[in-house]
Amino acid sequence: EAQVTQNPRYLITVTGKKLTVTCSQNMNHEYMSWYRQDPGLGLRQIYYSMNVEVTDKGDVPEGYKVSRKEKRNFPLILESPSPNQTSLYFCASSPGPGAYNSPLHFGNGTRLTVT
Amino acid sequence: GQQVMQIPQYQHVQEGEDFTTYCNSSTTLSNIQWYKQRPGGHPVFLIQLVKSGEVKKQKRLTFQFGEAKKNSSLHITATQTTDVGTYFCAVPPATDSWGKLQFGAGTQVVVTP
Repeated sequence: EAQVTQNPRYLITVTGKKLTVTCSQNMNHEYMSWYRQDPGLGLRQIYYSMNVEVTDKGDVPEGYKVSRKEKRNFPLILESPSPNQTSLYFCASSPGPGAYNSPLHFGNGTRLTVT
Repeated sequence: GQQVMQIPQYQHVQEGEDFTTYCNSSTTLSNIQWYKQRPGGHPVFLIQLVKSGEVKKQKRLTFQFGEAKKNSSLHITATQTTDVGTYFCAVPPATDSWGKLQFGAGTQVVVTP
């Protein structure tokens, strides 16, 4: 089954403790992206990747890191999480090129709480 | 920068009624996408509009792209409880950046039986 898989689904952590949210897609998509969703703000793009080893900042990249060493995986890293990073996170992929000429396929989301 | 506004933010609808939600951009768009997110779920792609004045239908859903390509609407006929969720529009940036896609804040739809 074609899908985008995020792990974990739920995560509670403390301020400053490094964490990684994994994202994997099995559709051989070139493009991958991370979004955070907060009430009233919609989905805001954190980072995106046009292809392996090619990543770039979205609209809210501060406090986050990503890597794209393989086509299928695009982990989101929070080196020192803070409470303002408490949010619902979505990973998405598309065949590309780019983000807006083909549909995004979203993962099921990761709800992160930082205390 | 580019502004994308969705109105209304909330929509309470009686089952069987029609309603329309709008997405307005401050700049001319090359295309626009619409997504639906059910409560507790993830966004799911509905449709993409590319041409000026384009109208596309999916059963009871009608999507329209404005003539000036600065706005779009989603009209739902005879609303059902399955239409509950948040509807987002998504647009590319005004400048060339194929990696970026900007989402509106969404219209949250609640259906009363």
